[in-house]
Amino acid sequence: EAGVAQSPRYKIIEKRQSVAFWCNPISGHATLYWYQQILGQGPKLLIQFQNNGVVDDSQLPKDRFSAERLKGVDSTLKIQPAKLEDSAVYLCASSLVGMGRGGKTQYFGPGTRLLVL
Amino acid sequence: GENVEQHPSTLSVQEGDSAVIKCTYSDSASNYFPWYKQELGKRPQLIIDIRSNVGEKKDQRIAVTLNKTAKHFSLHITETQPEDSAVYFCAASILGSQGNLIFGKGTKLSVKP
Repeated sequence: EAGVAQSPRYKIIEKRQSVAFWCNPISGHATLYWYQQILGQGPKLLIQFQNNGVVDDSQLPKDRFSAERLKGVDSTLKIQPAKLEDSAVYLCASSLVGMGRGGKTQYFGPGTRLLVL
Repeated sequence: GENVEQHPSTLSVQEGDSAVIKCTYSDSASNYFPWYKQELGKRPQLIIDIRSNVGEKKDQRIAVTLNKTAKHFSLHITETQPEDSAVYFCAASILGSQGNLIFGKGTKLSVKP
């Protein structure tokens, strides 16, 4: 079974520039998560999708971050404009169903390492 | 909201010794507690999880214990091997609600040969 795919793996940009990350979840997984992992910390949820709808985006800095999952499969996360403090690894995860439906195991992608200069 | 504290932040053991990592959580409604292992530069991978209706769960050299009254849970690794070296994250959540996984800050485990 193919795992969660993410691209790019690494990205270096200057502050105030824009960047986009892409995620392809495991086939059949209805729920998709985007996490931000700052060096030395645990992953922090940014947004959760159930199919193509947003379940939880309470931790997403909406003035600069946006995410979509238009067809309920792939998802993109965008930062515009980027700040120095956005330097982190952005992890995508998917699960068969969401936590709200009793689903549990989240499978993570390899992450995109972002450096903002 | 839920808050998860994890200790220690770093742990160094000799090969063959046991390692214990402890987490506490704040929301008494949390009922699902997974542990993830993250090797350097790699993705977090689920290694074991426990639900609140169980006090202990084992999988070969790995075990997790849960004390609901005290709101803490622990990861136990016996007969440690160099390949156990990684960062371990605990997390807590409420299955059946919209609550998502809240992670601890991680424990960097080093197993010296």
